[in-house]
Amino acid sequence: GAVVSQHPSWVICKSGTSVKIECRSLDFQATTMFWYRQFPKQSLMLMATSNEGSKATYEQGVEKDKFLINHASLTLSTLTVTSAHPEDSSFYICSAGGGVWRNQPQHFGDGTRLSIL
Amino acid sequence: AQTVTQSQPEMSVQEAETVTLSCTYDTSESNYYLFWYKQPPSRQMILVIRQEAYKQQNATENRFSVNFQKAAKSFSLKISDSQLGDTAMYFCAFMTPEGGSEKLVFGKGTKLTVNP
Repeated sequence: GAVVSQHPSWVICKSGTSVKIECRSLDFQATTMFWYRQFPKQSLMLMATSNEGSKATYEQGVEKDKFLINHASLTLSTLTVTSAHPEDSSFYICSAGGGVWRNQPQHFGDGTRLSIL
Repeated sequence: AQTVTQSQPEMSVQEAETVTLSCTYDTSESNYYLFWYKQPPSRQMILVIRQEAYKQQNATENRFSVNFQKAAKSFSLKISDSQLGDTAMYFCAFMTPEGGSEKLVFGKGTKLTVNP
């Protein structure tokens, strides 16, 4: 099956720094990638949808300037949490779909645990 | 807007027994897909089973099967012969290809514990 690699799996950094999370589709071209945020014991909350070569579509309430998403190629999307603060601490998960996987289940990365001190 | 409701925050079952997790959804779309995802403590999202709305036959995957009631907008998951490794959060999810976004809408999840 399709593999989605997410890196890093865990990051701890100081308040005020920016953190970049990468999401790669390893064996297929993902025309669409999704970024989710998950708080402890809660469900996944969609933050944004990114399509290769175009601007991401953010869900209502998600700060575009805080969470920068770039989908520069069919195999890579990045999420940058800018000027991170403790309230940004969370579990972030990406998924990939589209292309030959259109109308198929999304393929999820293993997630990134972000801790802001 | 589509919504997905999982009314059981937590459930438990004895090993080797059968358990059913409930899920209801609301949509005005006619073409859509339904999924059950499993999230074990490792937090990896694992697809358990999928159902296309246009198919009347209920999907099955080994010990996992669904009861899809389209008119009632119900999509329950039955786990037979429960195993300790089935302990996880289970999320019901809805997707429609309409509009081209293919966004997944998740329920709040059910925490399943399989007891030895």
